Amino acid sequence: GENVEQHPSTLSVQEGDSAVIKCTYSDSASNYFPWYKQELGKRPQLIIDIRSNVGEKKDQRIAVTLNKTAKHFSLHITETQPEDSAVYFCAASIITGGYQKVTFGTGTKLQVIP
Amino acid sequence: DVKVTQSSRYLVKRTGEKVFLECVQDMDHENMFWYRQDPGLGLRLIYFSYDVKMKEKGDIPEGYSVSREKKERFSLILESASTNQTSMYLCASSPTRASGQETQYFGPGTRLLVL
Repeated sequence: GENVEQHPSTLSVQEGDSAVIKCTYSDSASNYFPWYKQELGKRPQLIIDIRSNVGEKKDQRIAVTLNKTAKHFSLHITETQPEDSAVYFCAASIITGGYQKVTFGTGTKLQVIP
Repeated sequence: DVKVTQSSRYLVKRTGEKVFLECVQDMDHENMFWYRQDPGLGLRLIYFSYDVKMKEKGDIPEGYSVSREKKERFSLILESASTNQTSMYLCASSPTRASGQETQYFGPGTRLLVL
C-alpha cells in the first residue's frame, strides 16, 4: 500500500520567515495531494491541494510543489504569522471513479515565534 | 457549509465493552472515512466506504468494524474495546470524483479512553 513520509516532525521559525515541509510517497498511482492544517483542539481543514498533472500551485502565502518523478511534494509558507502555528498533514490520494483512498503523513508541528 | 458531526466528543469505556462511534454528514457525500489520530503517527485510516453498504479496509482495520446502512451515516464499532484502542477518532467525508472535488471534511473527533 501507499506510504507517506513527512519531515520535519517539528519546526520552529521566527515570525516573517518562511517554512517548508516535505513529504514523499511510494505509490506512483497517487494522483491527488492535499495539505491539511489542524489547530490545537480543532479538526483538520484543507488549506491547499495539488493534482498530479500540476507542478506547482499558490494561494496567497502558501504554495505546494510536486515532483512526480521523485515522488515528493512540499508545502511552502512565506511571511509566517503566529496564526500559522498548527500541525500540518500532507496526504497522498488515489482517486478512481467515486473511490478515494487517502494516506496521511505523520504531521509537522509548526511553531511561529513572534 | 459542509457539516460532519460525531456522536460524542469524549467517551470512557471499559476493556471488553462494545463501543459504537457514529458519524453523520449532511452534504450527500459518497465517501466516508474513519481515522485514528495518535501523537507521532498522524492520521491512520481504519475503514472507508464509498457507497451505502459498501466498506473497505484501511491500513489498521484489526479490532474494528463499520456499518453504513444510510448514505449520511457511518458507524465505527469496537467489538471488544482494548486499552490500545485509546485514541482520538476522526470521521471524514468527501464527494465523488465526478464532482471534481476530493476535499475531505472532518468531524470534531471523539476522544476515547479505554480503561
